[in-house]
Amino acid sequence: GENVEQHPSTLSVQEGDSAVIKCTYSDSASNYFPWYKQELGKRPQLIIDIRSNVGEKKDQRIAVTLNKTAKHFSLHITETQPEDSAVYFCAASIISNTGNQFYFGTGTSLTVIP
Amino acid sequence: DTGVSQDPRHKITKRGQNVTFRCDPISEHNRLYWYRQTLGQGPEFLTYFQNEAQLEKSRLLSDRFSAERPKGSFSTLEIQRTEQGDSAMYLCASSSHRLAPTPNEQFFGPGTRLTVL
Repeated sequence: GENVEQHPSTLSVQEGDSAVIKCTYSDSASNYFPWYKQELGKRPQLIIDIRSNVGEKKDQRIAVTLNKTAKHFSLHITETQPEDSAVYFCAASIISNTGNQFYFGTGTSLTVIP
Repeated sequence: DTGVSQDPRHKITKRGQNVTFRCDPISEHNRLYWYRQTLGQGPEFLTYFQNEAQLEKSRLLSDRFSAERPKGSFSTLEIQRTEQGDSAMYLCASSSHRLAPTPNEQFFGPGTRLTVL
């Protein structure tokens, strides 16, 4: 089955700096890679996703890059703000006609220091 | 709140007891997923349904676990003869492949936190 590894497990940055979280996956058939943000005591929420036919996707201060050959993808947050502090999870999935379970990384706890 | 809902939010039980959790997905979503999340870990896939059909079960889902979605709407997850190792947050998510712009997005519920004493 799919194995997703995520690094680092914790990350502290100064407000305004950039944060980068990296994930690798094992199953070359995986073709959908979402990133979820989970604030303390709350449910995970999708912040950005990318499909395998795209190398990069950006949404305001958040971007995701995908290297299919190396089987890794990264989340980039620029101009970090204190409200970006949360746990971030990457996931890999195979989209099919019948559904797509996610295989999640172990999470990165991001702290943005004001 | 029109999002995914789960009930109960918290459950404390004694080892050996049976527990049942309920998930109500977003109404137009035909896919429903169950995950388990322990402290410091990402959600781990347990099982999922498309409409009322249970299409896949993880190896994590032992014989003590059973899930149903009898009418293709809400789902229940039952754990029989609970063990301390079952203590975790049980998350439900739903999705619909027909909905743009992120058709594969899974919307998560608030979870049911299970504590087995």
